[in-house]
Amino acid sequence: EAGVTQFPSHSVIEKGQTVTLRCDPISGHDNLYWYRRVMGKEIKFLLHFVKESKQDESGMPNNRFLAERTGGTYSTLKVQPAELEDSGVYFCASSRGQGTDTQYFGPGTRLTVL
Amino acid sequence: SQQGEEDPQALSIQEGENATMNCSYKTSINNLQWYRQNSGRGLVHLILIRSNEREKHSGRLRVTLDTSKKSSSLLITASRAADTASYFCATEDSGTYKYIFGTGTRLKVLA
Repeated sequence: EAGVTQFPSHSVIEKGQTVTLRCDPISGHDNLYWYRRVMGKEIKFLLHFVKESKQDESGMPNNRFLAERTGGTYSTLKVQPAELEDSGVYFCASSRGQGTDTQYFGPGTRLTVL
Repeated sequence: SQQGEEDPQALSIQEGENATMNCSYKTSINNLQWYRQNSGRGLVHLILIRSNEREKHSGRLRVTLDTSKKSSSLLITASRAADTASYFCATEDSGTYKYIFGTGTRLKVLA
């Protein structure tokens, strides 16, 4: 089965611009998670979807970040306007259920804000 | 210290030697997972150990979990150059199901 895919793999934008990251989870996985790792720091949870609903968005850093999962399939994470400190790697993960189900991670999108 | 903090931060060994990485955490967990990230690539799941388990093996990997000390170790035996990567532990918080990752251990295996 295909794994979690993310697009683009790398994005370089100017401060103040908008960027939209996309994540396609494994087919049949209701749970979708976004994480990010900024330079030298630990990977941090951003939010969790169950199907199309936001189960937990407590990790979203501020209102410049907007995540959607229309139809409960793929998800997008928009950053508008981007700031320098948003640079990092954004990971998406999916799992069939919660609890003891393994989360499968995508390759990540490396975002560079200049 | 950070939740899911790995130790050491960097490790350099010769091919064939064993590599041991440790992870400490703070809260109650459902399970702990170890991941590998090759440079520029995504995270790859290595092994999951549940909170009621003490040890698990998978190929050349051995993971232990001590919930009383809130710590875990990952042992890679007979290391190979291809094992060069960053290794992360992630704890799933019991109740919230959120994963918390540490900063990782950068392992370099010299041929």
